[in-house]
Amino acid sequence: GENVEQHPSTLSVQEGDSAVIKCTYSDSASNYFPWYKQELGKGPQLIIDIRSNVGEKKDQRIAVTLNKTAKHFSLHITETQPEDSAVYFCAASSPRQNFVFGPGTRLSVLP
Amino acid sequence: NAGVTQTPKFQVLKTGQSMTLQCAQDMNHNSMYWYRQDPGMGLRLIYYSASEGTTDKGEVPNGYNVSRLNKREFSLRLESAAPSQTSVYFCASAGGFSGYTFGSGTRLTVV
Repeated sequence: GENVEQHPSTLSVQEGDSAVIKCTYSDSASNYFPWYKQELGKGPQLIIDIRSNVGEKKDQRIAVTLNKTAKHFSLHITETQPEDSAVYFCAASSPRQNFVFGPGTRLSVLP
Repeated sequence: NAGVTQTPKFQVLKTGQSMTLQCAQDMNHNSMYWYRQDPGMGLRLIYYSASEGTTDKGEVPNGYNVSRLNKREFSLRLESAAPSQTSVYFCASAGGFSGYTFGSGTRLTVV
């Protein structure tokens, strides 16, 4: 079955700097890769996703890149702000496979 | 437009007690899921329902049962709660091939 690894587990950046979180997956059949943000005391919320027929997707300050050959995808947050502080989860899935989530990255944006 | 609603938000049980966690979605989604979230373990799938009338085991089903009451509602039951079931429980739903929508969670403590 699918296995998703995520690094780093914790990340601290200065406000205004960029943050990058990386995930790797094992199943070459996976073709959908969402990213979730979970704020304290709340449920995970979808922030961006990418499908395997696309190499990069951007939405304002966040972007996701996908390297199918290497089986890894990354979340990029530019011009970080304190409200970006949260736990971020990546996931991988295919039409025949439920989402498999990475273990999460706790991002702290320091003022 | 409430999305996914979970009740209760908090619950304390004594070992051996039973309870049912309720989940309802108003997005006409076919698929519904129950996850548990423990520190350092990410999100682990307990049970899921791909469509009304079907349920399947996930990664950690032992000690739980589910009921897909109708298209909107998917409940999770603990028949005899154990301290190992202390966790935060999330319900999610999905329509088609897209990201999940999560509820706000139920924080359960078993003493």
